[in-house]
Amino acid sequence: QKEVEQDPGPLSVPEGAIVSLNCTYSNSAFQYFMWYRQYSRKGPELLMYTYSSGNKEDGRFTAQVDKSSKYISLFIRDSQPSDSATYLCAMTVDSGNTGKLIFGQGTTLQVKP
Amino acid sequence: DTEVTQTPKHLVMGMTNKKSLKCEQHMGHRAMYWYKQKAKKPPELMFVYSYEKLSINESVPSRFSPECPNSSLLNLHLHALQPEDSALYLCASSQGRGLGTYDTGELFFGEGSRLTVL
Repeated sequence: QKEVEQDPGPLSVPEGAIVSLNCTYSNSAFQYFMWYRQYSRKGPELLMYTYSSGNKEDGRFTAQVDKSSKYISLFIRDSQPSDSATYLCAMTVDSGNTGKLIFGQGTTLQVKP
Repeated sequence: DTEVTQTPKHLVMGMTNKKSLKCEQHMGHRAMYWYKQKAKKPPELMFVYSYEKLSINESVPSRFSPECPNSSLLNLHLHALQPEDSALYLCASSQGRGLGTYDTGELFFGEGSRLTVL
């Protein structure tokens, strides 16, 4: 079983739809959770970062963490064609293990005009 | 625009060539990383430098040789690569764990160097 599971998609939605991207994980020691957006042939761009359980909102994006269920989500409201990209969840423990992000497989999203 | 700059953006090399990838950041971060990414896969960690010292080597073949000349620069020297080494090589940085600082693993990536080995 992988430490982080993420549905690879692809996910195709019409413009304006609400998108839900999800990851589950097995290691209860994970404490820091990130979402990266990666456009084709570019490096990942940090989109959202969360520490504790709960919601964090930034514009059209909301990150949700449920540590009891070992489940994180990224919601995109009013999706735009420019949101078409691969979304990677990532997480890490607080053990001095600098830089050992554990990534999900990435979900490819296409938003159609 | 990303604050982690990688050069070159594209590199084509033969199996007998020696080349280098370069990375620079000016965010004052003290931890720098090399990742390798194949198509439709997540990034895979190769090396981590913390305060200019190599702290993690993920059992990477010796044909890849990292170097951290100072806290802002990171190089990856390439020699005798194989075609299967063709990939996107990503540099990243983070704050780094030290006195008074706390590294949460929040990485900032460059745009990558796309390497093709013939």
